[in-house]
Amino acid sequence: DAGITQSPRHKVTETGTPVTLRCHQTENHRYMYWYRQDPGHGLRLIHYSYGVKDTDKGEVSDGYSVSRSKTEDFLLTLESATSSQTSVYFCAISPLGAAYNSPLHFGNGTRLTVT
Amino acid sequence: GENVEQHPSTLSVQEGDSAVIKCTYSDSASNYFPWYKQELGKGPQLIIDIRSNVGEKKDQRIAVTLNKTAKHFSLHITETQPEDSAVYFCAARPVNFGNEKLTFGTGTRLTIIP
Repeated sequence: DAGITQSPRHKVTETGTPVTLRCHQTENHRYMYWYRQDPGHGLRLIHYSYGVKDTDKGEVSDGYSVSRSKTEDFLLTLESATSSQTSVYFCAISPLGAAYNSPLHFGNGTRLTVT
Repeated sequence: GENVEQHPSTLSVQEGDSAVIKCTYSDSASNYFPWYKQELGKGPQLIIDIRSNVGEKKDQRIAVTLNKTAKHFSLHITETQPEDSAVYFCAARPVNFGNEKLTFGTGTRLTIIP
């Protein structure tokens, strides 16, 4: 799995509580991404990072924030979880940006349920 | 922005038969088209990709074809095996942009019937 660890693998939380998901990589790749996967929607980009402390929004960033203080860690925070954020969250990494030979390598996901 | 449509959403084929999954895209600037396979409980994994200067690419039992004029590309799996059962995603992005511009299809659940 390209040296990507997501934690936790499963989490159940209540509406209104803060939640932080962690992605840790051992590949020293510059680019890291957070996606959510929902039936009928495929994979949608939430936020991404192109270096330490360099992040930007994706397609579905509302209600989410991210931080990257070290190359190896990329955190996704739901400040106040809502039921619409129940989903499977995937972290991905890639070594290069706008380059052909830069496929995404995904972690195994975190299943989040907001009750 | 880019819109990628993927069909069918589910597909069942007899072991040994061929499977075809089709995707269409809307942005004529897109010229990189990867395919990902997702097994149960795991993240997607790249299985093959094609660039717009190539019409077809093969890798053992897997092939991808691209028709830029019609804006569609397809995944072909021949001599299917039980381990081919998974969810498959197509995707598209312009070459001068990074993966932040990668747009995924909605996925096809392929089931191989023994």
